[in-house]
Amino acid sequence: DVKVTQSSRYLVKRTGEKVFLECVQDMDHENMFWYRQDPGLGLRLIYFSYDVKMKEKGDIPEGYSVSREKKERFSLILESASTNQTSMYLCASDRDSTDTQYFGPGTRLTVL
Amino acid sequence: TQLLEQSPQFLSIQEGENLTVYCNSSSVFSSLQWYRQEPGEGPVLLVTVVTGGEVKKLKRLTFQFGDARKDSSLHITAAQPGDTGLYLCAGAVGFGNEKLTFGTGTRLTIIP
Repeated sequence: DVKVTQSSRYLVKRTGEKVFLECVQDMDHENMFWYRQDPGLGLRLIYFSYDVKMKEKGDIPEGYSVSREKKERFSLILESASTNQTSMYLCASDRDSTDTQYFGPGTRLTVL
Repeated sequence: TQLLEQSPQFLSIQEGENLTVYCNSSSVFSSLQWYRQEPGEGPVLLVTVVTGGEVKKLKRLTFQFGDARKDSSLHITAAQPGDTGLYLCAGAVGFGNEKLTFGTGTRLTIIP
């Protein structure tokens, strides 16, 4: 079974803090994705990566950066957290663009 | 950016009833996916429809892709409490999943 794990289920941070969200997949998938999920807005793509050290902006990259130093790990970084970044963050991966995306359980981030 | 509107946003019905959820857009998609997300978990893919007019059945769930590939519907027959969850549609442009556009979501509650 494909497994996508996220480092925290719940996270509370203060405005201005640097925040790291970690995602690991165990199926040697090429592509990894970060989404945020907000009620009534569905999932919105922040960034994705199709190879180690490669990244592409999604629809809402502002205020975020990413890092993929190893194939199995994709990190989302909030350089200076703001209250409007309070959300559910979902990581996903797939083998290639025609494959199913597998999602992690999500990290619910609250920025105070 | 393509938009996918789902209706209704919330639906609460009695066990045994039938229901239909709609996913509409003004944009054309090469394929459309349906996901179900349960509390505390990431979305899980239910089905992918590719051809305009295509109908796929998954036990009591029937998925249809509109002829013009701009809309889709999910029909559930004889709903059961296990069907409770957030249903998301997602459209792909081109051949890959790199940039899926997710719908706004329908939160379904089946009352025993």
